[in-house]
Amino acid sequence: AQSVAQPEDQVNVAEGNPLTVKCTYSVSGNPYLFWYVQYPNRGLQFLLKYITGDNLVKGSYGFEAEFNKSQTSFHLKKPSALVSDSALYFCAVRDPDRGSTLGRLYFGRGTQLTVWP
Amino acid sequence: DTEVTQTPKHLVMGMTNKKSLKCEQHMGHRAMYWYKQKAKKPPELMFVYSYEKLSINESVPSRFSPECPNSSLLNLHLHALQPEDSALYLCASSQTGQGFTGELFFGEGSRLTVL
Repeated sequence: AQSVAQPEDQVNVAEGNPLTVKCTYSVSGNPYLFWYVQYPNRGLQFLLKYITGDNLVKGSYGFEAEFNKSQTSFHLKKPSALVSDSALYFCAVRDPDRGSTLGRLYFGRGTQLTVWP
Repeated sequence: DTEVTQTPKHLVMGMTNKKSLKCEQHMGHRAMYWYKQKAKKPPELMFVYSYEKLSINESVPSRFSPECPNSSLLNLHLHALQPEDSALYLCASSQTGQGFTGELFFGEGSRLTVL
């Protein structure tokens, strides 16, 4: 079965420090992986995706993610956190049914990131 | 600014009411989605429309009735809801076809409270 796991419900980091939000995946084939962010009372915003190619993916707002096939991980990172990065972050994997052209995503349970000033 | 627009942003309804949530996108996407999200939980897929046809129904109760009048519009008709249906309802759209890699574009959501 396809799934993603976010092992941390909460990540706290001081402003200016690097941040990492963890995600591991389990899929039957090559994964399509995504990170979305959700600010309070808002919809989800796309941050970045890994489809193929370079293992380091750069996305919006200075975020990047590193795909590691041997560890089945896709951790979200940022070199210097901002207070405005405080939000709920979701890792997601696309349905590996390659015959499907629809974007059925399986989301992790989410990680609340809090950046302290 | 999101290019997927949802109305209303907030809705309070009684268990005997009939109401509708609306979603509109102008990105030329041919797939549209309804998700339900409880507080601090991941979104749960409800329905998927592809080319205005219902493609996926995740065993959603019949008190939720989706409708896709055209490629830009998606409605969710609500009737005889229960208090446990209170949640944030998110609409999303995406491309379809070969080359599509799965990115969804979400609206801001409609916050539903059932009394």
